[in-house]
Amino acid sequence: EAGVTQFPSHSVIEKGQTVTLRCDPISGHDNLYWYRRVMGKEIKFLLHFVKESKQDESGMPNNRFLAERTGGTYSTLKVQPAELEDSGVYFCASSQEWGNYGYTFGSGTRLTVV
Amino acid sequence: QKEVEQNSGPLSVPEGAIASLNCTYSDRVSQSFFWYRQYSGKSPELIMSIYSNGDKEDGRFTAQLNKASQYVSLLIRDSQPSDSATYLCAVIDSNYQLIWGAGTKLIIKP
Repeated sequence: EAGVTQFPSHSVIEKGQTVTLRCDPISGHDNLYWYRRVMGKEIKFLLHFVKESKQDESGMPNNRFLAERTGGTYSTLKVQPAELEDSGVYFCASSQEWGNYGYTFGSGTRLTVV
Repeated sequence: QKEVEQNSGPLSVPEGAIASLNCTYSDRVSQSFFWYRQYSGKSPELIMSIYSNGDKEDGRFTAQLNKASQYVSLLIRDSQPSDSATYLCAVIDSNYQLIWGAGTKLIIKP
């Protein structure tokens, strides 16, 4: 079974540019989550999809972040325009059940905004 | 007050000894608790989950949960150099969100 796949693994962009991160969850996992870890800080929740619907997007920092999950398969997270404080590692996770379960994480995308 | 607190370390333990990692949480209604291991540059990997008070053992790992005191711990017996990593405590809160601690860096010295 393929795991959660994320790409790119690294991205370096200039302030003001746009970046799109992609996450392919484990096949059959309806639940998809985005998390972010800024250097030296704890991992923070961004949002949660159940299939193609946003179940919870309370963690999205501002309207420069747009997440989509068309067709309930892969998800994209777009940052437009990127700011310096957006730098960090963006993790995607998926799970079959929603609720009290551990999640399988992708390897993350390290975003550096310069 | 942070919702999930861990000592950042580093915690240095000699090879073969028991490593003890601790975590406290603030949300009293939390029901699910997880320990993840993260190697440098890699994604978090789930190693233990615990839902009930008491101990849960899996190989060299034992998770301990005390809901009354709001702490969860992870013991690693017979520590190996390959156990050197950052250990992240995570708790599912009343909103079903996974809340993370900042992690404890564990170093196993040969």
